[in-house]
Amino acid sequence: QVQLVQSGAEVKKPGASVKVSCKASGYPFTSYYIHWVRQAPGQGLEWMGIINPTRGSTTYAQKFQGRVTMTTDTSTSTVYMELSSLRSEGTAIYYCARNQQPGIASAGADYWGQGTLVTVSS
Amino acid sequence: DIVMTQSPDSLAVSLGERATINCKSSQTVLYSSNYKNYLAWYQQKPGQPPKLLIYWASTRESGVPDRFSGSGSGTDFTLTISSLQAEDVAVYYCQQYYGSPPSFGGGTKVEIK
Repeated sequence: QVQLVQSGAEVKKPGASVKVSCKASGYPFTSYYIHWVRQAPGQGLEWMGIINPTRGSTTYAQKFQGRVTMTTDTSTSTVYMELSSLRSEGTAIYYCARNQQPGIASAGADYWGQGTLVTVSS
Repeated sequence: DIVMTQSPDSLAVSLGERATINCKSSQTVLYSSNYKNYLAWYQQKPGQPPKLLIYWASTRESGVPDRFSGSGSGTDFTLTISSLQAEDVAVYYCQQYYGSPPSFGGGTKVEIK
C-alpha cells in the first residue's frame, strides 16, 4: 500500500534551519511528484512547493523562495524539505503529499504523510 | 495567484440532513483544452492529515462514500454531503491546481447540530 512516512518532531530556535524527510513506499517513487504543505496551529493549509523525484526539479511558492530547498534521493525513495531562517510563525505541521496524477504537477494530492510538527521557539 | 474563498466558515447540520459548502475562485479553473475543472476537495479531521475526497471538481476518490458529491464549473463550486453522518465532522477545504501556486480555501468546519 502507498505510504509516506515523515521524520519526527523538531524544536528549533529562531534563525535556525530544519530538514524534514518523507520516505515513500508502495508505488513507483519516480512516477509521482511530491508536494509540501504546511499548517500552522488552528489554521488552514499552505502550499510550499513541489518536487519532481526523478529530475529533482522544483517549484516553490514565492513566499518561501530563497528559504526552502526540496531535494530527492531516489536510492531510498525519500524526499527532503529544508527550511532556513526559521521564524516563530514557522511553527506548524509540515506535510508531504503525493501528486495524484503521475508524471505531471497539476493535480490534487491523494496520499499524505502523517505530518511533522516543527516548533520554533527561543 | 488564484484566491480561493470558501463559505460559510462553519455550519452545524443535524444528523441525516444535507450540508452544502461553497468555494469560489478568483479566476476560472476550467481548462478549455480538456474541459476539466482543476479543483479538489479535502476532508481533515482533528489530528489527521487531509484526505482527498473529490478531484476534477466532481470525481469521487476511490473509497469515498457516495453521500459526498462535488459540482460546479469555472469559478463556483459546491461540496454536498447528502446525509450527514457523525463521522463527517471535520474541516473541509477546496483547492485549485489550475494555476501555480496551487491554493487552498480557508476551510469550512462542519459540526452536528
